[in-house]
Amino acid sequence: EVQLVESGGGLVQPGESLRLSCTASGFIFSSYEMYWVRQAPGKGLEWVSYISSSGSSIYHADSVKGRFTISRDNTRNSLYLQMNSLRVEDTAVYYCARDPVLGADYFDSWGQGTLVTVSS
Amino acid sequence: EIVMTQSPATLSVSPGERATLSCRASQSVSSKLAWYQQKPGQAPRLLIYGASTRATGIPDRFSGSGSGTDFTLTISSLQSEDFAVYYCQQYSHWPPWTFGQGTKVEIK
Repeated sequence: EVQLVESGGGLVQPGESLRLSCTASGFIFSSYEMYWVRQAPGKGLEWVSYISSSGSSIYHADSVKGRFTISRDNTRNSLYLQMNSLRVEDTAVYYCARDPVLGADYFDSWGQGTLVTVSS
Repeated sequence: EIVMTQSPATLSVSPGERATLSCRASQSVSSKLAWYQQKPGQAPRLLIYGASTRATGIPDRFSGSGSGTDFTLTISSLQSEDFAVYYCQQYSHWPPWTFGQGTKVEIK
């Protein structure tokens, strides 16, 4: 069974940093492209970041470019999101999600999410 | 960036009735369109990909249609567990991957 478990969320002040993790199991993590998607309270879904299976290709949404960095450790079956210079508008539940097959580009499995709250 | 627009924002339907949700793209996305269902406090769940292919384990009362810029998700006979928010997502032109704002299906 595919499982994605996020961790690392919490309450931080504006300007601070946080690192989210997503631990994968039930599939060969190193073969799959991965994403971070977020959802502000009461709002819709927003794609945040993408990383290829090897980590060689990365994209970030304009809203987080220069502040957030996606990475992965295939030896640890883990995906990460380093979030710096956090803003109030980054408050959201952050989900990691899997691309089901190379080139599919949609999200077939999601974690349960981790809440990030940015507030003074 | 491709903008996805869903309508209506809220759909009130009685159990057993048919629900029709719409999604429009600001430019053609071919058939690269997915639908997700999200219940309160839960992660989204993939329902449909390729505009019309049901994901694994999705009941056949869910069907998707359309191509280009106009898409439809139909729930043929609403069950109690189908009351949720539904999102469409395009994956034709990325980045960014973009979602519609969602349609809430509520009990009438």
